[in-house]
Amino acid sequence: SQQGEEDPQALSIQEGENATMNCSYKTSINNLQWYRQNSGRGLVHLILIRSNEREKHSGRLRVTLDTSKKSSSLLITASRAADTASYFCAILGIYGNKLVFGAGTILRVKS
Amino acid sequence: ETGVTQTPRHLVMGMTNKKSLKCEQHLGHNAMYWYKQSAKKPLELMFVYNFKEQTENNSVPSRFSPECPNSSHLFLHLHTLQPEDSALYLCASSQDPALSGTSGNYEQYFGPGTRLTVT
Repeated sequence: SQQGEEDPQALSIQEGENATMNCSYKTSINNLQWYRQNSGRGLVHLILIRSNEREKHSGRLRVTLDTSKKSSSLLITASRAADTASYFCAILGIYGNKLVFGAGTILRVKS
Repeated sequence: ETGVTQTPRHLVMGMTNKKSLKCEQHLGHNAMYWYKQSAKKPLELMFVYNFKEQTENNSVPSRFSPECPNSSHLFLHLHTLQPEDSALYLCASSQDPALSGTSGNYEQYFGPGTRLTVT
């Protein structure tokens, strides 16, 4: 299966703490993307990391990719209550033309 | 605002009804997608259109019928649905990764979704 699998399924932290979510996959990829979804809304693209990249930053987000372990992590630093949402990884396979999404991590940031 | 709009935002329909979901993108993309999101399940890709041509149909029951009259509009026609079809239906658009080569980004832009309840 190309599907990414997120870990943990749910995460609850205090405001100001860092949140780390992981994604594992099984195929060779073109790129891996992270999305965020607020309850009952559409997904919003956060960050994309290509297969030849190891780390990317965007504001308080840091994404790493280890293609040898077929895994990625998303770190949100100094979390805020507004970061409460579901976070999904999605992979684009090297031969594919579609994204395959994982089941997501539910993040709750308590103020 | 992602540049992708969906209407209606909420829909309640009986199993014998016929309704349509509409999606419009203002981003100049050439690929559009329908996804189904059910509780506690991964996002399910239903249909993919590239340049108005359907390129993917993930074994979706025929009671769901997509239509893409142009690269900016996408419809999902619904008829004789079942209660298990109740879900959030999401539309998305992107540049077509198959046509953009390896230099494209292919991130998808999602609409806010239509919450469908089948009674």
